[in-house]
Amino acid sequence: GNSVTQMEGPVTLSEEAFLTINCTYTATGYPSLFWYVQYPGEGLQLLLKATKADDKGSNKGFEATYRKETTSFHLEKGSVQVSDSAVYFCALRPVTGGGNKLTFGTGTQLKVEL
Amino acid sequence: ETGVTQTPRHLVMGMTNKKSLKCEQHLGHNAMYWYKQSAKKPLELMFVYSLEERVENNSVPSRFSPECPNSSHLFLHLHTLQPEDSALYLCASSRGSNSDEQFFGPGTRLTVL
Repeated sequence: GNSVTQMEGPVTLSEEAFLTINCTYTATGYPSLFWYVQYPGEGLQLLLKATKADDKGSNKGFEATYRKETTSFHLEKGSVQVSDSAVYFCALRPVTGGGNKLTFGTGTQLKVEL
Repeated sequence: ETGVTQTPRHLVMGMTNKKSLKCEQHLGHNAMYWYKQSAKKPLELMFVYSLEERVENNSVPSRFSPECPNSSHLFLHLHTLQPEDSALYLCASSRGSNSDEQFFGPGTRLTVL
């Protein structure tokens, strides 16, 4: 079946540090890949997505590249801010047969300190 | 009010109680979802409704009973729950059952005593 594996958190960084949150997946074919973010007390929000191999999704300074050869979709940001503190979820949607059923990872909590 | 709203935000109930969670979306979407979010576990999709018809039921125990009276409202009726059902219950909606982006509500934090 489909699955998503994320690095365990929490990840604690100083402001302006470089961020990487690893995500790898298992699925057949070419699923769509997503990063969602959950700020404290709120629901999940779509951060970025990529729908085919070598696509790069980007938003608010965050980037992730769809790597079919390594089945990865790592999230990166060059300079984090305190306001980026949240839980980040990697997810996939199968290419066929799954409707809009998203498979999520366990989430990685990011804490950014001054 | 805009987006996806959920009430109540917090709920504490005993194992013999009956309660309901409510979700409302103001986005004109046709598909709605219930998810369960437990600590250190992936989000679990519970139910999917498309145009008010249930299209997905992921082997959820019968003590959880969804209801979708129209495309804007989704309920989750709860009865005789177990302590392990304590979790954050998230509602989401999307334009259609095949559209990429799902919009989530803030969730209901449920504690079963």
